[in-house]
This record gives sequence, structure tokens and C-alpha cells, in this order.
Amino acid sequence: AQTIHQWPVAEIKAVGSPLSLGCTIKGKSSPNLYWYWQATGGTLQQLFYSITVGQVESVVQLNLSASRPKDDQFILSTEKLLLSHSGFYLCAWSPDETLYFGSGTRLTVL
Amino acid sequence: QQKVQQSPESLSVPEGGMASLNCTSSDRNFQYFWWYRQHSGEGPKALMSIFSDGDKKEGRFTAHLNKASLHVSLHIRDSQPSDSALYFCAASGGITGNTGKLIFGLGTTLQVQP
Repeated sequence: AQTIHQWPVAEIKAVGSPLSLGCTIKGKSSPNLYWYWQATGGTLQQLFYSITVGQVESVVQLNLSASRPKDDQFILSTEKLLLSHSGFYLCAWSPDETLYFGSGTRLTVL
Repeated sequence: QQKVQQSPESLSVPEGGMASLNCTSSDRNFQYFWWYRQHSGEGPKALMSIFSDGDKKEGRFTAHLNKASLHVSLHIRDSQPSDSALYFCAASGGITGNTGKLIFGLGTTLQVQP
């Protein structure tokens, strides 16, 4: 069975501190992977996508970066958090014509 | 301008009733549609996709697409309290190799009253 796992479930961080969020896909080789951001109660905004190891495309500039160090792993990070980074971060993948989301990471920046 | 527009913004129906949600794409390049449901604190879950004119039924859920007007609707029959959630419509310009370029609407909040 194919599974998507995100970590951590939630983070509370100070403005200016670094951040690293992770996502792992099991059961599918070379999946297309995506990072989305959602403000509380808001719509879903694509941040990055990757179709293979080492290749990441940025969709919007939010002072965030992403990397794909392994075929089944996608990392979202920043060296310096802003208040505006607060929200719900979702990893997603598309094994077929549909996009499937992980359970998300709730980030609160204080 | 929002490329995918949803209405109503919120909706309340009694348990056992019919809920109807609407979605329109303002870009003719985006004519492949998906419906997602998101319960509070969880990631969105795909309900169904619809790419051809007409109806598509999955259990209590029926989607209807009119490609000429780029309008898609979702009808939930026999609504249950567990259907209370935020519903997103998403549109894309293709169905292969382009799934990640989904454009999401702002969502419709559905409340089913017991």
C-alpha cells in the first residue's frame, strides 16, 4: 500500500528561527511530490513541486526552500521564519490523475 | 481574479437533506475538475474527479460538469453530520503530468445539522 507521512504534526517556533518539515512517500518509486500551504480556513497554495531526486521547482516566493534528497523524501525549510509563515503545510503526491495529500503540519510562528 | 470560484461560501443543511455546491472556472484552459473534502485539522481528501460532460456518481456524491460553461457542481444526498467539512473545487489544464498545477477555489463550508 502507498502511504504518505509528514512530520512533525505541529510546530511552535519563534520569529527568526529555522524550520525543517519533512514528507516521506512509501510504495511508489519516483513519485511527483508537492508542497502546499494553507492559511487557517483558507485555500491551498502550491509552493514547490518535484518530479525527481535533486530537482525542485518553486511556484511562489515565500522565503522558503525545498529539497528532494531521496526519491521518497521531500523537505521544506527556511533559515529564518516570519510571522506570515504560520499556517498548515501539506505534502502531496500524484500517483495517477489525482493529487493526494498528507495529514499536514500545523506551524505557529510567534 | 480567482480562477476557480466556489459558491456558496457556507451552507447549512439538515441531516438527511441534499447539499449542493457550485464551482466555476474562469479560464477555459482549466476544464478538468476535482472535488476535495477537508475536515478540521486534517489534510484534504479527494472525493472525486470529473472530466467529461454530464454526471458522475459515487455513493451519495454526484458531480455534474458542463464544459461549455465550465461549471461543475457537487450534490451530496442524505447528508450526514460527518459530511460537515470544508469542500474545495480544484481545476487543472490536464490530467497527466500536470496534476500538481491544480488551482483550488476558496472553498465552501458545509454544516449538516443533526
